[in-house]
Amino acid sequence: DTAVSQTPKYLVTQMGNDKSIKCEQNLGHDTMYWYKQDSKKFLKIMFSYNNKELIINETVPNRFSPKSPDKAHLNLHINSLELGDSAVYFCASSQRGSTEAFFGQGTRLTVV
Amino acid sequence: AQSVTQLGSHVSVSEGALVLLRCNYSSSVPPYLFWYVQYPNQGLQLLLKYTSAATLVKGINGFEAEFKKSETSFHLTKPSAHMSDAAEYFCAVSDPPGNTGKLIFGQGTTLQVKP
Repeated sequence: DTAVSQTPKYLVTQMGNDKSIKCEQNLGHDTMYWYKQDSKKFLKIMFSYNNKELIINETVPNRFSPKSPDKAHLNLHINSLELGDSAVYFCASSQRGSTEAFFGQGTRLTVV
Repeated sequence: AQSVTQLGSHVSVSEGALVLLRCNYSSSVPPYLFWYVQYPNQGLQLLLKYTSAATLVKGINGFEAEFKKSETSFHLTKPSAHMSDAAEYFCAVSDPPGNTGKLIFGQGTTLQVKP
């Protein structure tokens, strides 16, 4: 069973569109994250939720809106997609108090 | 503020040779340090972590790292490289447990293994 799963794995879309990426974890963790990996492979945190409460919101454009319907899910919705949004987006989860985060396989978003 | 710096964006070794990937950190609190590996088109997999216990940490696939506070370093080593080790390696530092748990990554090092 996949511990942290993201869908879709690949997403190609046109500028201006709205898209969502879904993430689910079956590890029973209480904290979930979204990280962005740019074209130079640099990884940076975007958001984090603990028990459905937003605890990290880095300097991310308002077009990005995370939603956590429950502890096991953290979705990322992106409005009005721009070319610069092209990247690989990783979901991760951990248990607060633990030091280990588990990552999904990533979603490669290409905006054309 | 915490940060990590990986020295060398690209390292090339011959199969069977020593692998040394360098990481230096900056942290105002005792750091929790990690090495992650990313294979092509894959997610990140934890290789090993330092959490203030033993300074020499052993991980998966024969990798190990030594925490040196005096040098603020956490270099990753493997005695003998294998072709399957070719991947992207990331050093990271995190908040202490109980805080946000966010990871701050270095720039990554691409390891190439030549036959």
